[in-house]
Amino acid sequence: AQSVAQPEDQVNVAEGNPLTVKCTYSVSGNPYLFWYVQYPNRGLQFLLKYITGDNLVKGSYGFEAEFNKSQTSFHLKKPSALVSDSALYFCAVRRVNTDKLIFGTGTRLQVFP
Amino acid sequence: DTGVSQDPRHKITKRGQNVTFRCDPISEHNRLYWYRQTLGQGPEFLTYFQNEAQLEKSRLLSDRFSAERPKGSFSTLEIQRTEQGDSAMYLCASSFETKQDVLTFGAGSRLTVL
Repeated sequence: AQSVAQPEDQVNVAEGNPLTVKCTYSVSGNPYLFWYVQYPNRGLQFLLKYITGDNLVKGSYGFEAEFNKSQTSFHLKKPSALVSDSALYFCAVRRVNTDKLIFGTGTRLQVFP
Repeated sequence: DTGVSQDPRHKITKRGQNVTFRCDPISEHNRLYWYRQTLGQGPEFLTYFQNEAQLEKSRLLSDRFSAERPKGSFSTLEIQRTEQGDSAMYLCASSFETKQDVLTFGAGSRLTVL
């Protein structure tokens, strides 16, 4: 079975500091990995994805994520957090031969001024 | 194009009643997905269409749930004989077939079953 774990319900960080939102996955075969963000009263938005190739993936709004196969992790990072980054972040995985995304439970990021 | 639209945004109903949600995807997208999200959880896959064909259904989609996309454009999700456990946010998303992982989600339809 495929699954995604986001071990932190909430991450707090001061504006200007680096941020990391953690994600680990379990899936047979090579995974396709994703990050989506949900702002209040708005639909989820695609941030970035890892399919193959370079382990460091760059996405929207200055976010990046690092794929680590040995640790089965796909942590989301940003060098300098903004207050406007405050939102709910979801990690997701898709197995190669399916078309559905399996989402984690989400991590609320709070960036303080 | 204003993105993915869902209607109604909020529906309150009594147990045992039928409800229907509508989703209007981005017009160029040929794939349409339904997900369900409960409080504190991530979205759970329900079903998806490519054009008018329903290609996959989750085991979560009991026989009380039915989804259609008759002309390959808008889609409806009907829940018959609602139960309190059906209370959730129902999310619709669309994508290009060739960019199947880049989903554009609507804001969702929140169902409350009393």
